[in-house]
Amino acid sequence: SQQGEEDPQALSIQEGENATMNCSYKTSINNLQWYRQNSGRGLVHLILIRSNEREKHSGRLRVTLDTSKKSSSLLITASRAADTASYFCATDISPNYGGSQGNLIFGKGTKLSVKP
Amino acid sequence: DVKVTQSSRYLVKRTGEKVFLECVQDMDHENMFWYRQDPGLGLRLIYFSYDVKMKEKGDIPEGYSVSREKKERFSLILESASTNQTSMYLCATAQGGSNQPQHFGDGTRLSIL
Repeated sequence: SQQGEEDPQALSIQEGENATMNCSYKTSINNLQWYRQNSGRGLVHLILIRSNEREKHSGRLRVTLDTSKKSSSLLITASRAADTASYFCATDISPNYGGSQGNLIFGKGTKLSVKP
Repeated sequence: DVKVTQSSRYLVKRTGEKVFLECVQDMDHENMFWYRQDPGLGLRLIYFSYDVKMKEKGDIPEGYSVSREKKERFSLILESASTNQTSMYLCATAQGGSNQPQHFGDGTRLSIL
C-alpha cells in the first residue's frame, strides 16, 4: 500500500548548494517523518512533523508540511559530501483510514548525491 | 543510545532452506518491525509485533513467519527460502505509536541461491 512518494527520485548537486526533496501522500495523517539511509546501512530518523505543524527545523534541515496539498518537503541547506544518501519520507495512516497504531509507510526515497 | 543489532550483515542460503534472521534491541521498546528493501520498491513491511508473543501481518507476509518470545528479540523466519526472497532485510524498533521514530538495524543482505 503506497502512501508517500518522494520526488525527485535522484538529485545531484555541488557541495554548498541547497537540496530540496518532496514527499506527497494520499490519505489523512497524524504525522510525517523523514529518514536518511547511507549506502548499505539502516535508516536513521531525522525529523518528525505533526499534522498540526507547518514547519520544523533541526540544524541544517528544514521540513515543511502542507496538509491541504498532502505534501511535505525536506530542505538541506549548505550541503556537504557527507549528506550523500537516500532520503525517505514515512507517514502513518489515521486509524479512521484503516491504519494500525505504530505502523509507518515509507516512500521509495530520493537518492541525493553531493559532489565535493 | 539506541542499539538494534541484526545477527548477520550478509547471508547466503540455498533454495528450500529454513532461514532465521535475528534482531535484538536494548531499549526496552514495545514495537518491533521487519521490512524488506528492494530496488525500486522501497521498504515493505513483512511483520510487526506490539508485545511479546504478539504478531501482526504487514503488507507482504507470504513465505515468512516471525517469533517474539522475549521483548528484546524479534526473529524473522523464511520457512522454505526461494530466490525471490533475495533482498535486504531491515529490523526496526519503536517505543509507542506512530508518533515515535523507528530505530533501524544495519540490515541483513540475504542471497538465496
